[in-house]
Amino acid sequence: DAMVIQNPRYQVTQFGKPVTLSCSQTLNHNVMYWYQQKSSQAPKLLFHYYDKDFNNEADTPDNFQSRRPNTSFCFLDIRSPGLGDAAMYLCATSSPMRGPTDTQYFGPGTRLTVL
Amino acid sequence: SQQGEEDPQALSIQEGENATMNCSYKTSINNLQWYRQNSGRGLVHLILIRSNEREKHSGRLRVTLDTSKKSSSLLITASRAADTASYFCATAATSGYSTLTFGKGTMLLVSP
Repeated sequence: DAMVIQNPRYQVTQFGKPVTLSCSQTLNHNVMYWYQQKSSQAPKLLFHYYDKDFNNEADTPDNFQSRRPNTSFCFLDIRSPGLGDAAMYLCATSSPMRGPTDTQYFGPGTRLTVL
Repeated sequence: SQQGEEDPQALSIQEGENATMNCSYKTSINNLQWYRQNSGRGLVHLILIRSNEREKHSGRLRVTLDTSKKSSSLLITASRAADTASYFCATAATSGYSTLTFGKGTMLLVSP
């Protein structure tokens, strides 16, 4: 089945130790998004790629970076995780050029713990 | 700033009852979507309603949109324990390529 896959599902890192979260999709969608969601809060958009074009949200800290080497994969790099970066990280995709809807398809998320 | 605001923040009902959640937003939109999130999981798209629509149905779901009041409601009829989840509204400013702005969500608990 076509889907959005995130690995790992749970990630534990140490304060200040770089960590990379990965997302892959078999939907062949041209837009990929990364959201941060803290407990009992709304998902907050960090950045997104439209094809190869990177779009950073204005309030996304410089500590967060992203890479999209090809259509299927997108990575979230946290260069120096702080305790405040502990959250669920959600990857989503959409394909606005293929249909009339703006529906986003989400992966199951990666729960990041910072010790 | 947060675009969507849901109320109530939490809702507890019995199986078989109807659940109504409301969402208000601040700026003009092209469409409004509702998503569901089970605990510790990703979001699942439920239904999309465009700014020129007033009501949509999908199974046990009914969504209304009042653009003059900048508000929407999600009604789940004959609720089931499996409907227990958080429900988020999200707004899109334009059609096609548009990012979504999510509201804070309503946590629904359906007791058997």
